[in-house]
Amino acid sequence: AQSVSQHNHHVILSEAASLELGCNYSYGGTVNLFWYVQYPGQHLQLLLKYFSGDPLVKGIKGFEAEFIKSKFSFNLRKPSVQWSDTAEYFCAVNARRGSTLGRLYFGRGTQLTVWP
Amino acid sequence: KAGVTQTPRYLIKTRGQQVTLSCSPISGHRSVSWYQQTPGQGLQFLFEYFSETQRNKGNFPGRFSGRQFSNSRSEMNVSTLELGDSALYLCASSLDGGVGSPLHFGNGTRLTVT
Repeated sequence: AQSVSQHNHHVILSEAASLELGCNYSYGGTVNLFWYVQYPGQHLQLLLKYFSGDPLVKGIKGFEAEFIKSKFSFNLRKPSVQWSDTAEYFCAVNARRGSTLGRLYFGRGTQLTVWP
Repeated sequence: KAGVTQTPRYLIKTRGQQVTLSCSPISGHRSVSWYQQTPGQGLQFLFEYFSETQRNKGNFPGRFSGRQFSNSRSEMNVSTLELGDSALYLCASSLDGGVGSPLHFGNGTRLTVT
């Protein structure tokens, strides 16, 4: 079965600091990878996705993520965070073979708090 | 374009009762998935429907069931409620559940079982 690990449960940063949230998955085949964000009181929103091609993908609000196949990782980065980035971030994966995008395996989430 | 709508937003039930949750997908979306979110287990996949057929199912007991109607609206039913069923239930829709068709989530239904 697939699983997703997010290394940090809670990250606290000051504005303008750089951010990197770790995500590792376990699955031997080809995968689709996602980062979702949940702002306080709002629904889960897609931040960025990787299906194929360039392993460095750019998402909304200045976020990017790098897929490193050899490390089974898909870390999320942002060079300079803002107070408005305070939210919970979820990494998710699904397998290309034998399933659809409707079935995602999520990590436990990382709560990011940014102090102004 | 309206987003995914889930009703009701909050529910309080007692053990042994049953409950039905509703989800209206984004117009034109034909795939609807359900997830359970709890502090202990995180987000877990329940099932996915496409064109009124269950296409995928997660590892939940048979007390959890769902269906999809011809207009793509979906309902989820939980029978014989247990305390552990207390959770946020999220519905997500996509065009067809395929590559290039990411999920759009609703705000969820918060179910409390007492």
